[in-house]
Amino acid sequence: KAGVTQTPRYLIKTRGQQVTLSCSPISGHRSVSWYQQTPGQGLQFLFEYFSETQRNKGNFPGRFSGRQFSNSRSEMNVSTLELGDSALYLCASSAGIQGGEQYFGPGTRLTVT
Amino acid sequence: EDQVTQSPEALRLQEGESSSLNCSYTVSGLRGLFWYRQDPGKGPEFLFTLYSAGEEKEKERLKATLTKKESFLHITAPKPEDSATYLCAVQAGGSYIPTFGRGTSLIVHP
Repeated sequence: KAGVTQTPRYLIKTRGQQVTLSCSPISGHRSVSWYQQTPGQGLQFLFEYFSETQRNKGNFPGRFSGRQFSNSRSEMNVSTLELGDSALYLCASSAGIQGGEQYFGPGTRLTVT
Repeated sequence: EDQVTQSPEALRLQEGESSSLNCSYTVSGLRGLFWYRQDPGKGPEFLFTLYSAGEEKEKERLKATLTKKESFLHITAPKPEDSATYLCAVQAGGSYIPTFGRGTSLIVHP
């Protein structure tokens, strides 16, 4: 099976702009989670979608949003970018209805200048 | 609040020098403990899932064990290609989302 794919892999944006990141999960996986990873904070959970519904949300401001489509593909959006949003954004998919092991994509490296 | 603590933060080994990484957790109702390997600039790669105390899983030079309070990732005769950050995550209670530790950065010198 093909793994989790994320696009784009690298992105450079300016403060105040917005960005949309895309994730395609492993075929058959209905749960998609998003994480932000920085050297100082480690892996921080953003949100999780299952069958197009947001089931869980982490402690991030409303500038961070996401959605999931009927084919399980997911997007996350960050509006009004800040310098502190520079990070590796990781998408992970999982097969189980109740979570379980996650399979991560390669990530999108976002740099905000 | 669920807590996952990994130690040490960093570990340097000589090739062939076996060692263990620790993941201690404080959760209610463990449903699964996961180990991942992450190479720089890449997404974490799933290694193992452990569900109950006493369980062990092996893969090549890696062996993961689980007790009621912690998990160990034993690395036997490591090679330079084992250099990576190893992450531990715990899923507990009614949560669908695992809590990740900060990871152990392992460097194996030839």
